[in-house]
Amino acid sequence: SQQGEEDPQALSIQEGENATMNCSYKTSINNLQWYRQNSGRGLVHLILIRSNEREKHSGRLRVTLDTSKKSSSLLITASRAADTASYFCATDAQIQGAQKLVFGQGTRLTINP
Amino acid sequence: DGGITQSPKYLFRKEGQNVTLSCEQNLNHDAMYWYRQDPGQGLRLIYYSQIVNDFQKGDIAEGYSVSREKKESFPLTVTSAQKNPTAFYLCASRGYPGANVLTFGAGSRLTVL
Repeated sequence: SQQGEEDPQALSIQEGENATMNCSYKTSINNLQWYRQNSGRGLVHLILIRSNEREKHSGRLRVTLDTSKKSSSLLITASRAADTASYFCATDAQIQGAQKLVFGQGTRLTINP
Repeated sequence: DGGITQSPKYLFRKEGQNVTLSCEQNLNHDAMYWYRQDPGQGLRLIYYSQIVNDFQKGDIAEGYSVSREKKESFPLTVTSAQKNPTAFYLCASRGYPGANVLTFGAGSRLTVL
């Protein structure tokens, strides 16, 4: 089963609104990361939050981490049409004796002009 | 500019043929990875290599093979034993042992005719 599961699978909002995506995971983690993927392209790293951090900001991005609930959220404020992409969470954890980065299934975000 | 180059971007293969996807990086990164991406399933790890002349199987290695003869290069061969090879293939590298942050190539889309 997936280590990271994202919600919602798809999100469509108007330009200027805020977009929130959620990620849940199953095991203890070292850190959690968010990546962005434009259609047909590779992933680009956005932000990393360590297991001892609760919130982190980068520009219009705000990430929260709740290790007691094993969940994270990514907030994009004042969305723009160029934010249209898929967003993936990835958990960095020890799984079966090896350190692994495991990706969720992604949230497909559409910003309507 | 430093980065990861994947080629070809699009590849068509007849059933029963082996194909090799190229991945070259000039980031001086030690670790390199191959992921497979199918619609709605996120990224799944095929193979990874921490150092030259060494590599390990990921979660879905069956039907694939790799080599790591040079630090810069990590080619992936999709063999005829891979039952359902049509997918988007992503190569990535990691430079810092302390944080498992990946840099991705632009991807190669393989279609079996």
